[in-house]
Amino acid sequence: GAVVSQHPSWVICKSGTSVKIECRSLDFQATTMFWYRQFPKQSLMLMATSNEGSKATYEQGVEKDKFLINHASLTLSTLTVTSAHPEDSSFYICSAGTDINQPQHFGDGTRLSIL
Amino acid sequence: GENVEQHPSTLSVQEGDSAVIKCTYSDSASNYFPWYKQELGKGPQLIIDIRSNVGEKKDQRIAVTLNKTAKHFSLHITETQPEDSAVYFCAASRDDYKLSFGAGTTVTVRA
Repeated sequence: GAVVSQHPSWVICKSGTSVKIECRSLDFQATTMFWYRQFPKQSLMLMATSNEGSKATYEQGVEKDKFLINHASLTLSTLTVTSAHPEDSSFYICSAGTDINQPQHFGDGTRLSIL
Repeated sequence: GENVEQHPSTLSVQEGDSAVIKCTYSDSASNYFPWYKQELGKGPQLIIDIRSNVGEKKDQRIAVTLNKTAKHFSLHITETQPEDSAVYFCAASRDDYKLSFGAGTTVTVRA
C-alpha cells in the first residue's frame, strides 16, 4: 500500500516553455503533499507544502510565481514550472501523507532537463 | 529552522559487516526521525523511523537509536548485502510535518 506515482518520470524541453508534473496518491487520500527539488549528489530541499483545497505554502527563496502548485483533490497535486530555464533543471520529487502520525510516502521523481 | 547534519558522507563496508550512519539535529522540538534509502534515479524509500518517545527500534537487519538529550540518532545496518548499496538520508520533523533532510551517506557494500 501507500503508493505515490509521479508523471512524467523524465522530461526534456526547450527554455521558455512550461512543464507540468503530476503527483498522485494511488491507494490513499493525501491531505498534505510536499514538493522537493534535488540537485545531483545533493540532499532533498523542500520547495512547498500543499494541502488539499488551499494555497500552497512555499519555503523561503522559492518563487511561487515560478513554481505553481495545485492540490485540487485528495489524490492529485501538480507542480508547474513556468517559463523554465536551464537552471531549473533538477530532480523534482513529491511526497504525500495523511497526518502527522503517519510517514510520508515519496514518488519516484521527475527528472527535468531544460535545453 | 531545523538543521540536520549527517556523517559520514561516504561509507564502504565489506559484505557481512555492519554499517553505522549518524545524524544530529538542532531543534529540540523535533519529534520524528525517519531514515530513507534512495537508489539511483528513484525517490526516497522509508526504511525505518522512530519517534521521540522511543529510544531504539529494530526491523530485521536495520535498527535506529535516538538520544534526545544529545540530539542525535543513528542508523545501524547489520550483515550488509550488496543490495544495501544506496544513498541513505536521515531526516527530522516537528509536528508541522515538514522534513529536514541530512546531506546523505553513500553506502557501498563490497562483495
